[in-house]
Amino acid sequence: AQSVTQLGSHVSVSEGALVLLRCNYSSSVPPYLFWYVQYPNQGLQLLLKYTSAATLVKGINDFEAEFKKSETSFHLTKPSAHMSDAAEYFCAVKEANRDDKIIFGKGTRLHILP
Amino acid sequence: EAGVTQFPSHSVIEKGQTVTLRCDPISGHDNLYWYRRVMGKEIKFLLHFVKESKQDESGMPNNRFLAERTGGTYSTLKVQPAELEDSGVYFCASSQVLGGSTDTQYFGPGTRLTVL
Repeated sequence: AQSVTQLGSHVSVSEGALVLLRCNYSSSVPPYLFWYVQYPNQGLQLLLKYTSAATLVKGINDFEAEFKKSETSFHLTKPSAHMSDAAEYFCAVKEANRDDKIIFGKGTRLHILP
Repeated sequence: EAGVTQFPSHSVIEKGQTVTLRCDPISGHDNLYWYRRVMGKEIKFLLHFVKESKQDESGMPNNRFLAERTGGTYSTLKVQPAELEDSGVYFCASSQVLGGSTDTQYFGPGTRLTVL
């Protein structure tokens, strides 16, 4: 079975500050891991994905995430927050190399303070 | 290239009525998935088509939900009769099949269903 835990349903950071959104996963098989973002009134957009290649994954808009197997974590970071980063972020897992369903975390809403 | 499209974007219906949601996947994507997010909860898988065949429907909540994908192109999800707890956002996603392993699932904008 697979599951995802996102720590913090709401996170607030100041504009220009570091963004850190935490995600821990559980999987009995090799996982693929994803971060999706949902901007207000829009659909889910893929931010980045880990598919067993490099453990440090770079995504759009200067976001990146590091796969740490020993910690079963896949935290999302961005060096400097921008007002346009305000959105809801979803960490997700699926079994590697299978056409299979994605298991999502509950989401973290990121607020950017001016 | 057009992304995944869903229709309608919003639907408000009375309890007991029927609603049909439509999803058009990205052209050439054989995999099509339906997900749902009930307010305050996580996004949950409903079912998975490969072309016109149901590969996995383990997430379908009950027999009031019927999904079809005739011809392996667009898909419909019918809720009949709708209940209050069916309210939520219904997402569709599609992906290619590459050499036996799946590619990224691309999501549509969702249909927000409100049952009164």
